[in-house]
Amino acid sequence: QVQLVESGGGVVQPGRSLRLSCAASGFIFSNSGMHWVRQAPGKGLEWVALISYDGTNIYYAKSVKDRFTISRDDSKNTLYLQMNSLRSEDTAVYYCGKREWELPSYWGQGTQVTVSS
Amino acid sequence: QSVLTQPPSASGTPGQRVTISCSGSSSNIGGNYVYWYQQLPGTAPKLLIYRNNQRPSGVPDRFSGSKSGTAASLAIRGFRSEDEADYYCAVWDDSLSGYVFGSGTKVTV
Repeated sequence: QVQLVESGGGVVQPGRSLRLSCAASGFIFSNSGMHWVRQAPGKGLEWVALISYDGTNIYYAKSVKDRFTISRDDSKNTLYLQMNSLRSEDTAVYYCGKREWELPSYWGQGTQVTVSS
Repeated sequence: QSVLTQPPSASGTPGQRVTISCSGSSSNIGGNYVYWYQQLPGTAPKLLIYRNNQRPSGVPDRFSGSKSGTAASLAIRGFRSEDEADYYCAVWDDSLSGYVFGSGTKVTV
């Protein structure tokens, strides 16, 4: 069955960087587009980024563009989110999701990122 | 605030029909597919409806989606206590060149 496991979250100071990973299994990863979606404490869902199945099409939310980079390594069945210049407002649970039709059908359990001095 | 407007809360009585609205514009709902997600407390979201009115396998037919113009809605027929959750609409926005989620609706008994 489809399984997505996020990792790499933690506590980081403002202005620093962090890289999240999402290990995928149970489906042909190289055939699937992938999303990152986040949820700040007590808030709603916010779409972050999308990478197409072949990596040629990438989209970002305005709030993270030029600071975050989504990428994938099909040889490792792993999705990444490189987060630079982190701000307090980036504090959230970050979910990866397998793209089906347009938006995620399957989601990981999430990884917590806290940006604080 | 989100470009998609949802009521912050809704309530239902067991067995009743509950409807949640999602209002947008021509750059999002008006020209693209709408999705609906359910999020139970402390868990990841679950896909309920894709492409306006399609249910993934395993989602009960008590849940249905519809779209008209720049608005969409999710209906829960025969409301149950286990349907207490947060519900989000989502859609591609042509002006933003990205996806957007509604602000969410908390549904309680």
